[in-house]
Amino acid sequence: SQQGEEDPQALSIQEGENATMNCSYKTSINNLQWYRQNSGRGLVHLILIRSNEREKHSGRLRVTLDTSKKSSSLLITASRAADTASYFCAQWSSWGKLQFGAGTQVVVTP
Amino acid sequence: GAGVSQTPSNKVTEKGKYVELRCDPISGHTALYWYRQSLGQGPEFLIYFQGTGAADDSGLPNDRFFAVRPEGSVSTLKIQRTERGDSAVYLCASSLETTTEAFFGQGTRLTVV
Repeated sequence: SQQGEEDPQALSIQEGENATMNCSYKTSINNLQWYRQNSGRGLVHLILIRSNEREKHSGRLRVTLDTSKKSSSLLITASRAADTASYFCAQWSSWGKLQFGAGTQVVVTP
Repeated sequence: GAGVSQTPSNKVTEKGKYVELRCDPISGHTALYWYRQSLGQGPEFLIYFQGTGAADDSGLPNDRFFAVRPEGSVSTLKIQRTERGDSAVYLCASSLETTTEAFFGQGTRLTVV
């Protein structure tokens, strides 16, 4: 079974627009990570946010974490065609297990 | 190498055969993870190792699946009596220790015909 759920399942936007996706999870976490997967196979680590952090930035990425609601969001600003990919959140449980949600497929059209 | 390496990148096997999938983690990473991913789905946890021991194997679907990491570095995922439903991309990841950033290999695409 998967720990988290991403919302929406799919997102289609135009270049220059912002993309927001959300992740909810079920159990307490140590930290939460976001990954990107282009068509193909490798997952690329984007950002890690710890359970005692509320917001983190990396370039055009902004991640928030609300542990009271067991949710996180990923915002991609000024999207580019190269941002077309699937995005996954993953949670580290306190006993060291890293679990993924089903992902959000993002398509950015020129 | 600098990253996680998985071999082979593609494997086609006949139903009922035995396969081994190999993962070379980043040097010095104590934690190693195996996942399985089907088309349109997120990675499904199979097993993770802390050093040589399997810390959590709750994701292995049945006793046809087994994984080892005898020296705490390279790991092998072994699948006996393969079935068509085993077809998927098998992903390996490693991290310096649990709860730190995990780095993924490019995966092995297994096709059982």
